[in-house]
Amino acid sequence: GEDVEQSLFLSVREGDSSVINCTYTDSSSTYLYWYKQEPGAGLQLLTYIFSNMDMKQDQRLTVLLNKKDKHLSLRIADTQTGDSAIYFCAEITGAGSYQLTFGKGTKLSVIP
Amino acid sequence: DTGVSQDPRHKITKRGQNVTFRCDPISEHNRLYWYRQTLGQGPEFLTYFQNEAQLEKSRLLSDRFSAERPKGSFSTLEIQRTEQGDSAMYLCASSFAGSGEMNTEAFFGQGTRLTVV
Repeated sequence: GEDVEQSLFLSVREGDSSVINCTYTDSSSTYLYWYKQEPGAGLQLLTYIFSNMDMKQDQRLTVLLNKKDKHLSLRIADTQTGDSAIYFCAEITGAGSYQLTFGKGTKLSVIP
Repeated sequence: DTGVSQDPRHKITKRGQNVTFRCDPISEHNRLYWYRQTLGQGPEFLTYFQNEAQLEKSRLLSDRFSAERPKGSFSTLEIQRTEQGDSAMYLCASSFAGSGEMNTEAFFGQGTRLTVV
């Protein structure tokens, strides 16, 4: 089954906050990441959080981690039309592996 | 350095042909990764290099796939006897980390889109 799960679509109005959610199953996850992908483009690393943290803020982005529930969220404040993209949650485990495991992505649509 | 560079950006090939893709990582990065992304899915890990050594391979990497990083800089991914199911975006990423360091702040290239007809 899926190791990382995300809802597939989110629609918000310009200026509102967006919250994109992700759940993961591997309790040994050490780092969790958020990537953004615009149409026809590669992935852009937005931010990441280490598993011993519960929050990280970077300008308009806030990442919350609930390790007990294996739940990660990305909040985008004052969402702009340029934020329309697919957002991927990814994890890396501490099991001697360096591979990222991605969710299927959440397509964020920003309505002007 | 403008980031991770992949060539070609698009490739259309006939079933049964061989194709080779190239990735040039960010110059000081010692780790290089290949991922495959199909429509509506997230990227799936294929393989990983630390310098020139291929340290990890996914079971997705069948024996028709081979990857090299001969001098620890650029990498190539070859697919032999392509099948329609190989049609996907092939993404390369690179990162720098010290020995034993787990964080993979990986930077991705724009990908090579392969279409097998």
